[in-house]
Amino acid sequence: AQSVTQPDIHITVSEGASLELRCNYSYGATPYLFWYVQSPGQGLQLLLKYFSGDTLVQGIKGFEAEFKRSQSSFNLRKPSVHWSDAAEYFCAVGRLDSNYQLIWGAGTKLIIKP
Amino acid sequence: EAGVTQFPSHSVIEKGQTVTLRCDPISGHDNLYWYRRVMGKEIKFLLHFVKESKQDESGMPNNRFLAERTGGTYSTLKVQPAELEDSGVYFCASSQGTDLYGYTFGSGTRLTVV
Repeated sequence: AQSVTQPDIHITVSEGASLELRCNYSYGATPYLFWYVQSPGQGLQLLLKYFSGDTLVQGIKGFEAEFKRSQSSFNLRKPSVHWSDAAEYFCAVGRLDSNYQLIWGAGTKLIIKP
Repeated sequence: EAGVTQFPSHSVIEKGQTVTLRCDPISGHDNLYWYRRVMGKEIKFLLHFVKESKQDESGMPNNRFLAERTGGTYSTLKVQPAELEDSGVYFCASSQGTDLYGYTFGSGTRLTVV
């Protein structure tokens, strides 16, 4: 069965520092890949997605993610975090036998140190 | 345009009681989805409506959960009777018919069963 692993439950980063959140997925075929963010009191917001093509994907809020087939990874990065980036981040993949169902990682909570 | 609206935002009920969650999708979105996140675990798919029809309810945990979508507009998710393990955050999302994975999520309903 497909699964998504986000190995870090919490990450603490100083404001202005770079950020990388890890995501690995199981299963051989390349699924559609997504990163979502949930800020306090807000809904899940799509940061970026990868369907095919260029493996470096640009998203909103200055985020990018790189798909690496050999590592089954889709890590999220930002060169310089801001206090407003404090939120929970979810990696998700499209279920291979569906064109709408998402399979989610457990989430990574990002804490920003001033 | 108005987003996906869910209410209540929070609900605390006793074990054995009934709770009804409501989701108002974006106007014109035929697809409506329910997901839930139980106690810090992964977000999991519950079901998918196309207009008023249940397209896929494979993620519904048991028959204590009943989802409806009246006239293809808003949707309700009723839990009767609620159990402690039903506590979590219930997310609703909607999308256009042709927009692959083009979800817009609501901010969720946090359900606590005590």
